[in-house]
Amino acid sequence: DARVTQTPRHKVTEMGQEVTMRCQPILGHNTVFWYRQTMMQGLELLAYFRNRAPLDDSGMPKDRFSAEMPDATLATLKIQPSEPRDSAVYFCASGLERRGNNEQFFGPGTRLTVL
Amino acid sequence: DAKTTQPNSMESNEEEPVHLPCNHSTISGTDYIHWYRQLPSQGPEYVIHGLTSNVNNRMASLAIAEDRKSSTLILHRATLRDAAVYYCILRGITGGTSYGKLTFGQGTILTVHP
Repeated sequence: DARVTQTPRHKVTEMGQEVTMRCQPILGHNTVFWYRQTMMQGLELLAYFRNRAPLDDSGMPKDRFSAEMPDATLATLKIQPSEPRDSAVYFCASGLERRGNNEQFFGPGTRLTVL
Repeated sequence: DAKTTQPNSMESNEEEPVHLPCNHSTISGTDYIHWYRQLPSQGPEYVIHGLTSNVNNRMASLAIAEDRKSSTLILHRATLRDAAVYYCILRGITGGTSYGKLTFGQGTILTVHP
């Protein structure tokens, strides 16, 4: 049963520290998405890759966030330096983009707490 | 992006049908209607999608109004495991950088009573 995996599942860190979240998309999928979920803002799209190329990162604070896909099996989301307002659940999703459907498969999320 | 409007919350009893409405009066002719749900402490999961015709799958049915300005997700027999936040989302089929994006609203919190 193919699934999106994310590590770590939980992360507690102090303000100013670097945080790296990792995602392994489902093999064969050509799109990867990073979302952030908070009680106040709900689910927000941070970044979107197609065939490993970044297509849209307009939802991401550019000064401290960066998203990359070093290869087809790994996507990373990095925050440097982290701030308390970054505390949220970060979801990675992958999908096979085709006309008519673009079902996204979500991972279990990384719950980040910045103290 | 065209917007969707959903009730904040709905309640149902177990084993009864549930009809979750969604209004999308500004839908364009090329927008697909997608439904996702998010169970407690999990990531969202795909439920169903459609363009013009009603759709059925093992999870649910999607009824789309003739003018496409509204749709209804139907759970035929609600179970306790169906308690979740249900999101109605419009997605365009044109290419470009926005093709695959899903914009989540606040969704409908469904409570299922035993």
